[in-house]
Amino acid sequence: EVQLLESGGGLVQPGGSLRLSCAASGFTFSNYAMSWVRQAPGKGLEWVSVVSGDGGSIYYADSVKGRCTIFRDNSKNTLYLQMNSLRAEDTAVYYCAKESPVFDYWGQGTLVTVSS
Amino acid sequence: DIQMTQSPSSLSVSVGDRVTITCRASQGISSWLAWYQQKPGKAPKSLIYAASSLQSGVPSRFSGSGSGTDFTLTISSLQPEDFAIYYCQQYNSYPRTFGGGTKVEIK
Repeated sequence: EVQLLESGGGLVQPGGSLRLSCAASGFTFSNYAMSWVRQAPGKGLEWVSVVSGDGGSIYYADSVKGRCTIFRDNSKNTLYLQMNSLRAEDTAVYYCAKESPVFDYWGQGTLVTVSS
Repeated sequence: DIQMTQSPSSLSVSVGDRVTITCRASQGISSWLAWYQQKPGKAPKSLIYAASSLQSGVPSRFSGSGSGTDFTLTISSLQPEDFAIYYCQQYNSYPRTFGGGTKVEIK
């Protein structure tokens, strides 16, 4: 059974940093690209970033480019999102999702709140 | 970036009704179109990929059609568990983009 479990969310002040993690199981992690998708409270879905299975290909949404870094550790079956210079508009539930190439499995999400 | 426009943004329907949701891409995406269902407080669930292929386990009352720029999600006979928000998403290119969502509510 495919499982994705995010962690690392919380309350952070504007300008602060946070690292999100997504622990994967139930599939060959290194064979699949993985994405982060976020959802602001009461809003729709916004794709954030993707990393290929081997980590060699990465894309970002313009809204986070230069402030976020996606990476993965295939030896630990874990995906990460390092978020810096956080803004109020980054407040959202962050989901990790397996790409095949649609988002066929999603985690339960972790809430990031940026507020002073 | 490819913009995805869904309509309507919401609709009120009764159990047993036929529901049709449309999604338009700002440029051609062939059949690289997915549909997701999201219930309150839950992660989205993949329903359809490649515009018309059902994910495993998805009831056959769901169907998708279209190619190029215009796509449709149809629920042939709405069931109580289908009240949710539905999103389309293109995977023709990065950045991946979603439609704004269609909320299906009980009349």
